[in-house]
Amino acid sequence: TAGITQAPTSQILAAGRSMTLRCTQDMRHNAMYWYRQDLGLGLRLIHYSNTAGTTGKGEVPDGYSVSRANTDDFPLTLASAVPSQTSVYFCASSERTSGRDSTGELFFGEGSRLTVL
Amino acid sequence: GQNIDQPTEMTATEGAIVQINCTYQTSGFNGLFWYQQHAGEAPTFLSYNVLDGLEEKGRFSSFLSRSKGYSYLLLKELQMKDSASYLCAVKDSNYQLIWGAGTKLIIKP
Repeated sequence: TAGITQAPTSQILAAGRSMTLRCTQDMRHNAMYWYRQDLGLGLRLIHYSNTAGTTGKGEVPDGYSVSRANTDDFPLTLASAVPSQTSVYFCASSERTSGRDSTGELFFGEGSRLTVL
Repeated sequence: GQNIDQPTEMTATEGAIVQINCTYQTSGFNGLFWYQQHAGEAPTFLSYNVLDGLEEKGRFSSFLSRSKGYSYLLLKELQMKDSASYLCAVKDSNYQLIWGAGTKLIIKP
């Protein structure tokens, strides 16, 4: 079973360039999330979507945008990358929603390691 | 502000027992999660506590005391494959997940 698929696995990007991280799930989960994980810090929520057609801002949304055209896909776009966006990005989904985060278990993708030079 | 505290790193011996603590200060409480994350991999769900007490699941147990803002994850009969980071996360009054930085557990033979 695929679960959540992220692409690319890793990428090196020049500052100022744009980049879209792809996330696809096959579990028909309503809620999807983008987190970034940096050394010494907890996972931080960038954007979320409780259901197809809706999105919301998380803790660190600046410099990122998302869309949720359908249930399965939740791409994250960096319009003009900066070095501080160097991080590991995780997409996640959950079956149920309650407010901005679900009451249930999160399923994570394998992550996308992004380096901005 | 909201805060989740966990030890940065712990070392234990194969076959032994280890307890990883998590203390939290959040605006409200709607449950506490523990996730396991092997190096270079995605976090995977271990446990969820919303009421005080101990939840046992095989070799892993998780304890919660809401009045003390405290939880621990207990790992028994440690195996080398248990070497990983363990993430504590609390759902606050707005159902927002607040994550700790994680505890890196090193298992030695």
